[in-house]
Amino acid sequence: GQQLNQSPQSMFIQEGEDVSMNCTSSSIFNTWLWYKQDPGEGPVLLIALYKAGELTSNGRLTAQFGTTRKDSFLNISASIPSDVGIYFCAGHKTGNQFYFGTGTSLTVIP
Amino acid sequence: KAGVTQTPRYLIKTRGQQVTLSCSPISGHRSVSWYQQTPGQGLQFLFEYFSETQRNKGNFPGRFSGRQFSNSRSEMNVSTLELGDSALYLCASSLASGGPGTDTQYFGPGTRLTVL
Repeated sequence: GQQLNQSPQSMFIQEGEDVSMNCTSSSIFNTWLWYKQDPGEGPVLLIALYKAGELTSNGRLTAQFGTTRKDSFLNISASIPSDVGIYFCAGHKTGNQFYFGTGTSLTVIP
Repeated sequence: KAGVTQTPRYLIKTRGQQVTLSCSPISGHRSVSWYQQTPGQGLQFLFEYFSETQRNKGNFPGRFSGRQFSNSRSEMNVSTLELGDSALYLCASSLASGGPGTDTQYFGPGTRLTVL
């Protein structure tokens, strides 16, 4: 099935640095979600976006629903060691399945 | 409110056996989706059930089947297990009431299946 293009695939950053990742699709979605997954656990919802152009924050995390409805962005400010994990984007159109990105693996170096 | 629960958390089977995994959605959620996650393939969509009916289906062989009960709990069955079926199986639930944001999915902790 379709997988969204998520980049970068992996990131190694120093503690305190900001992080940016994005997801693009060839299809239009009306919902974008961002999840974080720790090893062996299920993905945990970080931010949900429901409108084109919407900018939503959750603590140090900020995500945007692209105006074309084909992309989304996630930023993490002032990274800390517990931000380590794999971040997934997911796009959805009502009545259809969710499509997931390939994931961004984040390593934070103390 | 309790989150999505999945049982069992870990399972070891041998090739040729069959397995049934269970998922209890968040109370009030009517949609349950199942995913297979492997290191090489990422999150692959299996199927979605809504009000006891399969609403969407991914590209998996007929050995993978599921069902949903009237209380929205769902089960997934894999018959004639193959080595390649070893994976983390995740289920996710959503309210799916038609209103804005009600399709947002919440995941369970997953069932780790190992096929020997």
